[in-house]
Amino acid sequence: AQKVTQAQTEISVVEKEDVTLDCVYETRDTTYYLFWYKQPPSGELVFLIRRNSFDEQNEISGRYSWNFQKSTSSFNFTITASQVVDSAVYFCALSEVNTGANSKLTFGKGITLSVRP
Amino acid sequence: DTGVSQDPRHKITKRGQNVTFRCDPISEHNRLYWYRQTLGQGPEFLTYFQNEAQLEKSRLLSDRFSAERPKGSFSTLEIQRTEQGDSAMYLCASSLVGAHGNTIYFGEGSWLTVV
Repeated sequence: AQKVTQAQTEISVVEKEDVTLDCVYETRDTTYYLFWYKQPPSGELVFLIRRNSFDEQNEISGRYSWNFQKSTSSFNFTITASQVVDSAVYFCALSEVNTGANSKLTFGKGITLSVRP
Repeated sequence: DTGVSQDPRHKITKRGQNVTFRCDPISEHNRLYWYRQTLGQGPEFLTYFQNEAQLEKSRLLSDRFSAERPKGSFSTLEIQRTEQGDSAMYLCASSLVGAHGNTIYFGEGSWLTVV
């Protein structure tokens, strides 16, 4: 069975600090997708990134960067120079493909990030 | 360009009453999903449709829950004889399945409080 662990529950930083959100996953499939979503207080889950299991290249998008390491089954998310607007709950999620189960996502419990001015 | 929309956004109901939520997916998306999220937890999968066919249901979906997508466009999720344990946010999502994988886009959710 697949599982996503986000060991950090709450993180508080001061604006402009860098912060890394950890994600560790478990799956028996060789092909899968990993995701990060942001959930602001409004409740909507905002898609941030999707990465497939064959692409271990790190990705940078503005202040956001993602580090995917299959060897440690981790897909960590770093926000550089954090801003108050980054305050939200961040979810890592896994979708398997081989079993035809790319229909659904397995989420971690989320990390609440608070960025103080 | 509209995203996934859900209605109502908030619903307070008395235990034992029936409630229905509606979801309008992103147009042309062929898959539609329902998830449930309780406080402090990540969303949990309930069910999904490919066009109008309901292809999978989670064990979380008791027989008091029914979901439909009659014409392959909008979907409804009905909860009959609500219980306090049904209090949660119900999230709808949609995606377009293609050769390059399947990014799932979520709506803002429908909050249900059963009193």
